[in-house]
Amino acid sequence: DQQVKQNSPSLSVQEGRISILNCDYTNSMFDYFLWYKKYPAEGPTFLISISSIKDKNEDGRFTVFLNKSAKHLSLHIVPSQPGDSAVYFCAATDDYKLSFGAGTTVTVRA
Amino acid sequence: NAGVTQTPKFQVLKTGQSMTLQCAQDMNHNSMYWYRQDPGMGLRLIYYSASEGTTDKGEVPNGYNVSRLNKREFSLRLESAAPSQTSVYFCASSDRGQGYGYTFGSGTRLTVV
Repeated sequence: DQQVKQNSPSLSVQEGRISILNCDYTNSMFDYFLWYKKYPAEGPTFLISISSIKDKNEDGRFTVFLNKSAKHLSLHIVPSQPGDSAVYFCAATDDYKLSFGAGTTVTVRA
Repeated sequence: NAGVTQTPKFQVLKTGQSMTLQCAQDMNHNSMYWYRQDPGMGLRLIYYSASEGTTDKGEVPNGYNVSRLNKREFSLRLESAAPSQTSVYFCASSDRGQGYGYTFGSGTRLTVV
């Protein structure tokens, strides 16, 4: 049973607009959350993370929000750029092993 | 370039054949992992090695074995390949002292016919 769920397999957004990716988790012991980005034929690369003691973390165009009571996190990309077209994986951990979601494919339209 | 190196990049096996996927990292990380990626399933942990000399099962270990040869190398073996093992395999490494981020290799695309 997947403990990390990304219920939207795909997202299409116009260049310059905001992309919002959602992720839900079931394990209340998770205390650290990460987003990874993956291009075709490459391995995933770390994008941004957040500890459970925070509810927001920003890094340039990327912001991750955490709602612990709802067991929900989201990734905002503003503004979206063509190079952001990729698969985004949400991940969570309570030790050092990461549990991943199924991924959301983002397509940024010109 | 520093990172995680996986070999081979592509492989086609016949059902019942065996093979070993190789992984090496040069970042002096303590922990190493093998994941498989399947459509709609995301990345699922097969085996991991928290430190040199230890290995443990992950979420989907059946049909696989691993060896942590030394601190740098962590191999994944398929003793008798099955079509259900057709997947993309990723090796990763991490060091808890540097946070929870993993560094991934570029993957091995395996097809079992």
